[in-house]
Amino acid sequence: SQQGEEDPQALSIQEGENATMNCSYKTSINNLQWYRQNSGRGLVHLILIRSNEREKHSGRLRVTLDTSKKSSSLLITASRAADTASYFCATANRGSTLGRLYFGRGTQLTVWP
Amino acid sequence: NAGVTQTPKFQVLKTGQSMTLQCAQDMNHEYMSWYRQDPGMGLRLIHYSVGAGITDQGEVPNGYNVSRSTTEDFPLRLLSAAPSQTSVYFCASSTRIQGAWETQYFGPGTRLLVL
Repeated sequence: SQQGEEDPQALSIQEGENATMNCSYKTSINNLQWYRQNSGRGLVHLILIRSNEREKHSGRLRVTLDTSKKSSSLLITASRAADTASYFCATANRGSTLGRLYFGRGTQLTVWP
Repeated sequence: NAGVTQTPKFQVLKTGQSMTLQCAQDMNHEYMSWYRQDPGMGLRLIHYSVGAGITDQGEVPNGYNVSRSTTEDFPLRLLSAAPSQTSVYFCASSTRIQGAWETQYFGPGTRLLVL
């Protein structure tokens, strides 16, 4: 499979804590993206990191990429109940059809008030 | 802009029936795709298109047809519905930024139940 794999499958934390999710993949990539999905909704793009980048920030989100280990992490700082959702990583694989993304199975994050 | 829209939101079919899931986008995106999402399976690509008149198969194309006659629309047809096609279907679109395909914009999804 060319999919990414998120870890953990489920994460439960209190408001104010940080949440860290990891993604591992198997092939060379052009970029890696993180998406969020609220229950019963479509996916919403959060952040994209290119293969030549190591870290990227967007508000309370911090994404790192280690191409030597073929892994990425998503950190949500000072989490809120509204952050409760499923989080997916997706890779744009080098040599694959342009535009095609390969999604992992997701991490279910629950933030308790 | 409405973004990516999908109709219907919910549908119940009997085995053997056919139907078309509609997808439209108003962002003038070249790339459009259909995914299905099943519990514990993530998103799997069914078909995709890189422009009007051009379509190709994804990971799980069997039982589905697509066409792309306009940039805006990318309907997905179920030829003869089977219970295994019970799923949530998402349409997505994307465009190039400085020559690279990047962020995908997703529709709200269609929940399909095949009895």
